[in-house]
Amino acid sequence: DTAVSQTPKYLVTQMGNDKSIKCEQNLGHDTMYWYKQDSKKFLKIMFSYNNKELIINETVPNRFSPKSPDKAHLNLHINSLELGDSAVYFCASSQGSMSYGYTFGSGTRLTVV
Amino acid sequence: KQEVTQIPAALSVPEGENLVLNCSFTDSAIYNLQWFRQDPGKGLTSLLLIQSSQREQTSGRLNASLDKSSGRSTLYIAASQPGDSATYLCAVPQGGSEKLVFGKGMKLTVNP
Repeated sequence: DTAVSQTPKYLVTQMGNDKSIKCEQNLGHDTMYWYKQDSKKFLKIMFSYNNKELIINETVPNRFSPKSPDKAHLNLHINSLELGDSAVYFCASSQGSMSYGYTFGSGTRLTVV
Repeated sequence: KQEVTQIPAALSVPEGENLVLNCSFTDSAIYNLQWFRQDPGKGLTSLLLIQSSQREQTSGRLNASLDKSSGRSTLYIAASQPGDSATYLCAVPQGGSEKLVFGKGMKLTVNP
């Protein structure tokens, strides 16, 4: 009955590889997000999608490409991975965050070696 | 641009103490404020969501207050327990957007 689930939980890969992280929510929310938590534990938004439409695209390298096949799924594909991409990536969803707040997934720890 | 500050960055207390965690934000035009808990290596768990029209919210031993005009929120933890040890983050939406702006968190250690 997990509300927001991400896979994989851990990902270790070499520089230059391409990898994807998947996210699914079963809450019926319209909006999904990707956040990045860096080594200093600071959380910053990367992208948000509302009903499959890109709403927020922060200053993120274009090696990062989100894809939302439907409003319950938001995947993150990263090309040509770099050492600096190592972080924890969190997926989240909301049904109008103004009133109901966010629900976060458990995170994907990406380590680039 | 919204900025969220949490001071101190870390706190270590003996079990049983009543605690006050502070959060301040620069833009008072917020819709709500959310407190989260993050355990090491884990995701974020929502603790309390306070709407801009509310002054406080309570859940068990937790009580969060909101003073929009002064740009402050406080999370009270009553009778702290070792299981309360975690990092506590507050966050507010930026402007009229869905973008959530986080503080850097406060790492709490409750010693038995």
